[in-house]
Amino acid sequence: NAGVTQTPKFRILKIGQSMTLQCAQDMNHNYMYWYRQDPGMGLKLIYYSVGAGITDKGEVPNGYNVSRSTTEDFPLRLELAAPSQTSVYFCASSYGGNTIYFGEGSWLTVV
Amino acid sequence: TQLLEQSPQFLSIQEGENLTVYCNSSSVFSSLQWYRQEPGEGPVLLVTVVTGGEVKKLKRLTFQFGDARKDSSLHITAAQPGDTGLYLCAGTSGGGADGLTFGKGTHLIIQP
Repeated sequence: NAGVTQTPKFRILKIGQSMTLQCAQDMNHNYMYWYRQDPGMGLKLIYYSVGAGITDKGEVPNGYNVSRSTTEDFPLRLELAAPSQTSVYFCASSYGGNTIYFGEGSWLTVV
Repeated sequence: TQLLEQSPQFLSIQEGENLTVYCNSSSVFSSLQWYRQEPGEGPVLLVTVVTGGEVKKLKRLTFQFGDARKDSSLHITAAQPGDTGLYLCAGTSGGGADGLTFGKGTHLIIQP
């Protein structure tokens, strides 16, 4: 039961570096999401996708990019990392926008 | 922007006590979900409520959706240390394609 798989689990970046958080789901879900969770702030939607080839901005998209070339994969790209991007990132997926399944999270620190 | 306010933000009680946490909004949601999150893990869905006035029970947990679909509550009976965690409510409007709106969560600690 893989579900939603995120890599890496932990990463430290220097200011200005770039990286990609990988996300894959094996449930054939059409919808996929990226959230970030900051202490005391709840989860904020960064980007979402309703299917392969379609992506849309969420509430906090600045500094991030995504792509959805396949149904299974939804990588999140950070360009020119900034300390404000230190957070826990969660990838999630759902079928038709109903029950949303989350990955285990990726802890990112930008120093 | 739809907002969900959760209260209390923190709650620490003794094992065996009852508790209620609240999730309120000025907006109407087509459905509302409750998640539980443990440290180092992603949120895990507990329940989805979709009908105004709906009540769902999950063992010692009782979830209620307000009649106007603007608020919800989670009641735990005879709390146990295993109930400790962050409880998040999240709402969706329309088809849910654009994700969920999350509250900031209630940190619950059940002391043995």
